[in-house]
Amino acid sequence: DAGVIQSPRHEVTEMGQEVTLRCKPISGHNSLFWYRQTMMRGLELLIYFNNNVPIDDSGMPEDRFSAKMPNASFSTLKIQPSEPRDSAVYFCASSLLAGARNEQFFGPGTRLTVL
Amino acid sequence: QKEVEQDPGPLSVPEGAIVSLNCTYSNSAFQYFMWYRQYSRKGPELLMYTYSSGNKEDGRFTAQVDKSSKYISLFIRDSQPSDSATYLCAMRKHGGSQGNLIFGKGTKLSVKP
Repeated sequence: DAGVIQSPRHEVTEMGQEVTLRCKPISGHNSLFWYRQTMMRGLELLIYFNNNVPIDDSGMPEDRFSAKMPNASFSTLKIQPSEPRDSAVYFCASSLLAGARNEQFFGPGTRLTVL
Repeated sequence: QKEVEQDPGPLSVPEGAIVSLNCTYSNSAFQYFMWYRQYSRKGPELLMYTYSSGNKEDGRFTAQVDKSSKYISLFIRDSQPSDSATYLCAMRKHGGSQGNLIFGKGTKLSVKP
């Protein structure tokens, strides 16, 4: 099992540029989560999908952030335009909606640096 | 007051020591309590899962939940250098969607050989 796959692993960009983060959840999982982790704020949920449908995007900080899940095996998180305060590690996680423990399996993360 | 509070550490202990990690929370509706372990440059992975109050043991790890005090703990016996990681507590309400998982900021643990 390949686990949750995220790309790129590292991204360095300049302020104002568009950034697209990608995620492939574990095959068969029907819930997908995007998190952001910083030293100051810890791990924060940005948005999550059930069966490809966005359920709660209240954690998305601003309109500059958008997320899509066009199918069960792919999701993107886009930041446009990017700002230095967006620098963080972004994690994607997936789980089985009907799982007893609803365990979330995390990807390795994308380390984003906005200069 | 934040919903979940966790001392960030860092916590440094010698190999073989008993480690105690703790979180406090303010929302009495939380019913599911978890501990995640996060190695450096990796994503968090679920370590322990507890529903409501009580203790749960898994090998060298014991999770405790005290709902009356709104306090949860993770104990690590005979700690090993491989236990060096950041430990995050997480919790959610009964019936709450998985998306409503609230994490502590994590405690960084270092076990010295």
